[in-house]
Amino acid sequence: KQEVTQIPAALSVPEGENLVLNCSFTDSAIYNLQWFRQDPGKGLTSLLLIQSSQREQTSGRLNASLDKSSGRSTLYIAASQPGDSATYLCAVAGGGNKLTFGTGTQLKVEL
Amino acid sequence: DVKVTQSSRYLVKRTGEKVFLECVQDMDHENMFWYRQDPGLGLRLIYFSYDVKMKEKGDIPEGYSVSREKKERFSLILESASTNQTSMYLCASSLVAGGPDTQYFGPGTRLTVL
Repeated sequence: KQEVTQIPAALSVPEGENLVLNCSFTDSAIYNLQWFRQDPGKGLTSLLLIQSSQREQTSGRLNASLDKSSGRSTLYIAASQPGDSATYLCAVAGGGNKLTFGTGTQLKVEL
Repeated sequence: DVKVTQSSRYLVKRTGEKVFLECVQDMDHENMFWYRQDPGLGLRLIYFSYDVKMKEKGDIPEGYSVSREKKERFSLILESASTNQTSMYLCASSLVAGGPDTQYFGPGTRLTVL
């Protein structure tokens, strides 16, 4: 059974800092890996999707990498802003587009 | 833009009541999903559907059923609500049946069972 772990569980950084969020998964037989953002009490917003054949994806200040063989992904956020404060969730897609989620990293960017 | 809507943001029900949670998507997506989210446990898949009248169990289907009579609508049913079903419920949809694709989420329904 696929298990997804995210470290750290919580992170607090000053504005402007570059940061890395980590995600690891136990079964490398995945179709893709997705990073989501969740604001308090809200639904999830998709940030980046990396297909299993890809190594990384970029969107603005966000860059996600995937190392399928080692079961790891990182989400890099450049020049963090207070508006980046949210919970970031990693999810891996197995057969039939079923997603297995990590428990998330709660990020706080302070002024 | 894809829009996924859920019938209620907050719901309070009593133990033993029958509860319906409705989800509608407006982009003709084939796949629809129901998750629950609990602190420390993350999101867990309850049921999903690839097509009208088709459903498959997820990881935690016990105590739940679903209905998909129309492509755009996917309902989650708690036949007899219990306090351990107090949770945040999230609906999602994705475009391609059987294929990996971005899932689009609704805003969630926070259900409290007293």
